[in-house]
Amino acid sequence: NAGVTQTPKFQVLKTGQSMTLQCAQDMNHEYMSWYRQDPGMGLRLIHYSVGAGITDQGEVPNGYNVSRSTTEDFPLRLLSAAPSQTSVYFCASSYQFTPRTEAFFGQGTRLTVV
Amino acid sequence: GENVEQHPSTLSVQEGDSAVIKCTYSDSASNYFPWYKQELGKRPQLIIDIRSNVGEKKDQRIAVTLNKTAKHFSLHITETQPEDSAVYFCAASIPGGGNKLTFGTGTQLKVEL
Repeated sequence: NAGVTQTPKFQVLKTGQSMTLQCAQDMNHEYMSWYRQDPGMGLRLIHYSVGAGITDQGEVPNGYNVSRSTTEDFPLRLLSAAPSQTSVYFCASSYQFTPRTEAFFGQGTRLTVV
Repeated sequence: GENVEQHPSTLSVQEGDSAVIKCTYSDSASNYFPWYKQELGKRPQLIIDIRSNVGEKKDQRIAVTLNKTAKHFSLHITETQPEDSAVYFCAASIPGGGNKLTFGTGTQLKVEL
């Protein structure tokens, strides 16, 4: 049981490049989400999904796309990287309904855009 | 949308003392309040949570209290140990929002020997 797995752990991009951050979970969780973590700003929600085929925007969605073709996978795409997207990105998953709504986080991806 | 404020941003205590971290939320519909601990370079991990039908919950040295009227909840750590040093985040979510958590900005807790 691997939990939530993110790849890569580290990435350096040049401004304008695109890339996909991968996230997979093996707990059959309905709910998956992406957060970015910046110093002094906590974790801010980028996009989330309540099930395969369903995605929605969070607090800071601009510059990011997501899709959810399977229950297990929830990739985050940066379309044209900007220095403002330098951050640590966390994927999280949980059951959709109470009482088991504990969010499990991946190990994070540290992204630097130069 | 929901807004969660967390204080203090940094907290330094002596080993064995208690630590208290406070959060307020804006949406009175919020009904789930987890606390996460994040060690340096690691992922956030749930340490305790509370639902709006409960006023207090305790797990060994950790307790959380909730005041729905004031829209305020707090994390209490007693008999602090060096391994409690980490960043702590509070969060809130609304019913039907799955686990769409709104996080506070975090508290860096340092437990000094």
